Amino acid sequence: DAKTTQPPSMDCAEGRAANLPCNHSTISGNEYVYWYRQIHSQGPQYIIHGLKNNETNEMASLIITEDRKSSTLILPHATLRDTAVYYCIVRVMSRGGGADGLTFGKGTHLIIQP
Amino acid sequence: EAQVTQNPRYLITVTGKKLTVTCSQNMNHEYMSWYRQDPGLGLRQIYYSMNVEVTDKGDVPEGYKVSRKEKRNFPLILESPSPNQTSLYFCASSVSRYSYEQYFGPGTRLTVT
Repeated sequence: DAKTTQPPSMDCAEGRAANLPCNHSTISGNEYVYWYRQIHSQGPQYIIHGLKNNETNEMASLIITEDRKSSTLILPHATLRDTAVYYCIVRVMSRGGGADGLTFGKGTHLIIQP
Repeated sequence: EAQVTQNPRYLITVTGKKLTVTCSQNMNHEYMSWYRQDPGLGLRQIYYSMNVEVTDKGDVPEGYKVSRKEKRNFPLILESPSPNQTSLYFCASSVSRYSYEQYFGPGTRLTVT
């Protein structure tokens, strides 16, 4: 699976959009991009995933650059409850694109400021 | 409510005393797995199970055992715990190993002295 690079921490004001970047310059054409988050010592929570196209769900939007070497997770209206560590993960499609055996790195600690 | 439950949530034990951490899910998921989380190392998969009676090793299986006799339960067994197994443990489940979303339990914090 391709390696990802994320900033170790970010701040965002409550009510503003939080934009979390992820670099995956070695991503292969058959790898998905996943985002999970982990609120302090709780189990990780799935947010969103994508392959090529931008994706949106009730939690967030995922913007993937055209060359797929980087992506941005957008939380449109951040709240204090969004304070968490956010993990960007890439995974080969040959494993069915499934989420099993995902490797969680260090992620980005997002702190929402009141 | 759809959920993954783990018990106990906190456990302090001594080296060599066998213990079991239970995991149960009420979503009729086929796929279940165990992870451990250590500072600086992220989450690492210990074992996984694609269905009843089907289990396989993850990235760090040494010192652990699992069983999957029923679809809903996937206990993690430490036959002879050692201090290097002090960690935060998470159980997870999904519809299948090809599902995009895994559901994680609340975690079990284990300390082995």
